[in-house]
Amino acid sequence: GQSLEQPSEVTAVEGAIVQINCTYQTSGFYGLSWYQQHDGGAPTFLSYNALDGLEETGRFSSFLSRSDSYGYLLLQELQMKDSASYFCAVTGGGNKLTFGTGTQLKVEL
Amino acid sequence: NAGVMQNPRHLVRRRGQEARLRCSPMKGHSHVYWYRQLPEEGLKFMVYLQKENIIDESGMPKERFSAEFPKEGPSILRIQQVVRGDSAAYFCASSTGRDNEQFFGPGTRLTVL
Repeated sequence: GQSLEQPSEVTAVEGAIVQINCTYQTSGFYGLSWYQQHDGGAPTFLSYNALDGLEETGRFSSFLSRSDSYGYLLLQELQMKDSASYFCAVTGGGNKLTFGTGTQLKVEL
Repeated sequence: NAGVMQNPRHLVRRRGQEARLRCSPMKGHSHVYWYRQLPEEGLKFMVYLQKENIIDESGMPKERFSAEFPKEGPSILRIQQVVRGDSAAYFCASSTGRDNEQFFGPGTRLTVL
């Protein structure tokens, strides 16, 4: 089976940096993705890591350590619009995604 | 280029009725995935389809649920004899199958009375 753990809630102030961690246990692993979801709307893709290391896309970066079964999403220069739920998801084979339970990020002034 | 489309956006059914949820993938996408999300929870994989084929249905309940993706037309997720526990948001996603990004639709919110 597969399981992914994330903190349920994170709060940070506008302009700050926040890191959302994800640990996983899987029977198969091809890569780790991150998705953002606002108010129960359509999840949108943020990043994908198949290899160890850091991937940077604008204000968002994602890190993966396959040996530690661990990854994180780093959000810099936080803006109010970043308040949302963030999900890590494992691709374990066959293209399907197994999602974590999600981290609700609240950005405050 | 239109995104993934789902309809209806909201669906209310009484216990015992049938629910039909439709999903039109993005243009050029032949891979469709269905996920279910309960309030305050993550998305749970249900089924993965390509045109006219079910690739992986390991997340589908064995009874009452079925899915199809015909050669022509949208993908359909059908829930027969709905029960209150079926109330959830059902999201469809599509991809080319060649990369790792899945594009999600706005979801169908099913409420069973």
